[in-house]
Amino acid sequence: GQNIDQPTEMTATEGAIVQINCTYQTSGFNGLFWYQQHAGEAPTFLSYNVLDGLEEKGRFSSFLSRSKGYSYLLLKELQMKDSASYLCAVLDSNYQLIWGAGTKLIIKP
Amino acid sequence: DGGITQSPKYLFRKEGQNVTLSCEQNLNHDAMYWYRQDPGQGLRLIYYSQIVNDFQKGDIAEGYSVSREKKESFPLTVTSAQKNPTAFYLCASSPQGADYNEQFFGPGTRLTVL
Repeated sequence: GQNIDQPTEMTATEGAIVQINCTYQTSGFNGLFWYQQHAGEAPTFLSYNVLDGLEEKGRFSSFLSRSKGYSYLLLKELQMKDSASYLCAVLDSNYQLIWGAGTKLIIKP
Repeated sequence: DGGITQSPKYLFRKEGQNVTLSCEQNLNHDAMYWYRQDPGQGLRLIYYSQIVNDFQKGDIAEGYSVSREKKESFPLTVTSAQKNPTAFYLCASSPQGADYNEQFFGPGTRLTVL
């Protein structure tokens, strides 16, 4: 079967750095997405990785290792508005998105 | 402004009734999707459509039906056959032929069965 694992919940302090991990086992791989979802709202796109390595976009960076089936999302200089769920999703061999359950990130002052 | 709209935002239904959730997009995207989101679970695909007048079942299609008569519209009907319909429903769209399949989401409809 296809499986994506992320921690259920993480807590971090305003101004700090947090790394959210995602491991996956899917039938094929055509890229990995990270989305942010505030409570009761729609997910919004953060990043896409298809090649190994680190993609940096402002305060957010995303890393991929295809050989390890592993990705992480790195959030720097945390702000209170970063409190949200972070969803990892993998595009499988049929170009269908397989979603993780999401990681709820709680930011404390 | 281009985007995806879903209506209504909150919907209440009596057990045994069918209900239709609206999804409209003006992004000129070919592909559209319906997901269901339950607490503590990832998004689960109900139906998707890659072109007008064609749609495919997702992982949890039982108790749901869709139509795709227009490129802009992809309504979802939750039928009385759906055993546990209370959930947050998300509609999404994406362009076909892109190098990757970024999906754009509507604001969602929260359905509660009374």
